[in-house]
Amino acid sequence: EAGVAQSPRYKIIEKRQSVAFWCNPISGHATLYWYQQILGQGPKLLIQFQNNGVVDDSQLPKDRFSAERLKGVDSTLKIQPAKLEDSAVYLCASSLIGGAGGELFFGEGSRLTVL
Amino acid sequence: AQTVTQSQPEMSVQEAETVTLSCTYDTSESDYYLFWYKQPPSRQMILVIRQEAYKQQNATENRFSVNFQKAAKSFSLKISDSQLGDAAMYFCAYRSAVEYGNKLVFGAGTILRVKS
Repeated sequence: EAGVAQSPRYKIIEKRQSVAFWCNPISGHATLYWYQQILGQGPKLLIQFQNNGVVDDSQLPKDRFSAERLKGVDSTLKIQPAKLEDSAVYLCASSLIGGAGGELFFGEGSRLTVL
Repeated sequence: AQTVTQSQPEMSVQEAETVTLSCTYDTSESDYYLFWYKQPPSRQMILVIRQEAYKQQNATENRFSVNFQKAAKSFSLKISDSQLGDAAMYFCAYRSAVEYGNKLVFGAGTILRVKS
């Protein structure tokens, strides 16, 4: 079974530029998550989708971050304009169900460096 | 809001020995799940073990076991017969069973080093 795919793995940009990350979840997984993992910290949820609807985006900085999951499968996370503090690993995860006991399967992450 | 605290930034263990990673959490809820996730360097995070709060029995998965103390809000991970492949960052995580969306809240992590 293929895992959660993310691209690009690494990205370096200047501040105020834009960047987009792509995620393809495990086939059949209805729930998709984007987490931000800053060096030395645990992952923090940015946004959670159930199919193509948003369940939780309370910690998404909406003035610069946006995410979509148009057909309930792939998802894109965009940052525009980027700030220095956005340097982090962006993790995508998916789960078969959205319930509390459901296991999350993570991708390898996309590491962003903002200069 | 729920919080998860891992007070050990780094731990070391000799191969074949046992190590315990600590985790405490804060919540006013009675129904929730607790998890330990492992993140090897440059590889994806994987689930190690899961504990349902309503279960008194501690979860075990082969060499991995937990000590769940609900009243003390403590959830430690014990790794027995440590192997080189256990070296990784370990995250403790909390998930509400009643909050809409069931957001997974992570601690800051503990780096585990295994010495040969």
